[in-house]
Amino acid sequence: KQEVTQIPAALSVPEGENLVLNCSFTDSAIYNLQWFRQDPGKGLTSLLLIQSSQREQTSGRLNASLDKSSGRSTLYIAASQPGDSATYLCAVKDSGYALNFGKGTSLLVTP
Amino acid sequence: GAVVSQHPSWVICKSGTSVKIECRSLDFQATTMFWYRQFPKQSLMLMATSNEGSKATYEQGVEKDKFLINHASLTLSTLTVTSAHPEDSSFYICSASSRAGEQYFGPGTRLTVT
Repeated sequence: KQEVTQIPAALSVPEGENLVLNCSFTDSAIYNLQWFRQDPGKGLTSLLLIQSSQREQTSGRLNASLDKSSGRSTLYIAASQPGDSATYLCAVKDSGYALNFGKGTSLLVTP
Repeated sequence: GAVVSQHPSWVICKSGTSVKIECRSLDFQATTMFWYRQFPKQSLMLMATSNEGSKATYEQGVEKDKFLINHASLTLSTLTVTSAHPEDSSFYICSASSRAGEQYFGPGTRLTVT
C-alpha cells in the first residue's frame, strides 16, 4: 500500500524567505503527484500536478519537482508571504483511481 | 478551472438521523467521484470511489450500509450518512476526476452529530 510522508509537519518562517516542503512516497510506480493547499476548515485547492513523465512544474512563485525513482517530491515556495500560510498536502496517484495523501505540512509565514 | 461544489457546507444533526451531502461538478463531466473524510489535524482518508451508473467501491473499514453513495449522473454524487452518531462528526470532502486525471475538490461539508 502506498504511503506518503511529508516533512516537516509544521514550519514557521518570516516573510520573504524561500522555503522547501518535502514529500516522499514508498511505491515509485505512480501516475502523477499533486500538491494542494488547504486553509483551515476549507476544501483543497490544487496547486501543481506533475505527471509521472515530468520532472517539475512551475506556477508563479511555486515550483514542484518529482524524482520518481527515489520516491521524492519537493515544493519550493519563493519569497514567502503571510497569505501563503496554510496546510500543504502532497498526494500521489498510483494504480488506483484515488489519491493517497500525506498528513501535510502546516506553514505559518509571519509578517 | 474546473469547479466542484458541495452542499451543505455545514450541518448539525441529532444522533440517529440521516444526512445527505451533495457533490456536483459544475463545468465538466466526472465519470468518477471520490468521497474523503478528514478528522482534525489528520490527512484525508478515502472512503469510497463512485462511478456514474454503478455501485460505489468502498475502502476497507468503511460501512457501505452506513455511508450510502449514489452517482446518478455525470455531474452529481451524493453521500448519505445513515443513523448518524457523534463519532461520524467529521469534515467530508468530495472530489471529481477530469479526463486528464487531475482531481478537483469540493469545499467540504462539516458534519456535527449531537
